[in-house]
Amino acid sequence: QSALTQPRSVSGSPGQSVTISCTGTSSDVGAYNYVSWYQQYPGKAPKLMTYDVTKRPSGVPDRFSGSRSGNTASLTISGLQAEDEADYYCCSYGGTVVVFGGGTKLTVL
Amino acid sequence: EVQLVESGGGLVQPGGSLRLSCAASGFTFDLYTLHWFRRSPGRGLEWVSYITGSSTTIYYADSVKGRFTISRDNARNSLYLQMNSLRDEDMAVYYCTRDRATVVFDYWGQGTQVTVSS
Repeated sequence: QSALTQPRSVSGSPGQSVTISCTGTSSDVGAYNYVSWYQQYPGKAPKLMTYDVTKRPSGVPDRFSGSRSGNTASLTISGLQAEDEADYYCCSYGGTVVVFGGGTKLTVL
Repeated sequence: EVQLVESGGGLVQPGGSLRLSCAASGFTFDLYTLHWFRRSPGRGLEWVSYITGSSTTIYYADSVKGRFTISRDNARNSLYLQMNSLRDEDMAVYYCTRDRATVVFDYWGQGTQVTVSS
């Protein structure tokens, strides 16, 4: 059960776009259309941002979008806002287990 | 309104045991697979275990297999995590969450802190 690989940190200025990558294997990210992304603020519970690779729950701004190419999933945040500064985690189904990425800290400059 | 409320965390010595509980409300409890996750400063978010609605399928992360036991009581709308042989690396905030589909965790509890220290 290896964790998915995410960059430790990314940054961008307000209004810019950033993309967070999430690299897995052909047994998880590349095998199933079950990749989701979560936003977490310090001391708060995680919040679902995207699911089934590209879908977005109601209430999540369309500035957040998910995608996948091969064994790598990505979360793109466009039109960065100060409140987007948080930790982001990717998650994939792995057959019988659930695999998470190590998390990426997004800093809005 | 869907609510998940964890309890049972606390300070425990290495090798000790704790039982976490998660009280659910606002949805048809036995229709959902439920998961435990944890977050620690050094390890980020980590999946711990899940149990299907009828308890027929249960899986654990390798890091807790053989030490932790997940269970649920559908009559009481409650989820549990029995944690034995606790280690330093088990120290984390533990969250319960509802799985709306496959890895679609739409509701989370507020978390309960587990501290392992002598």
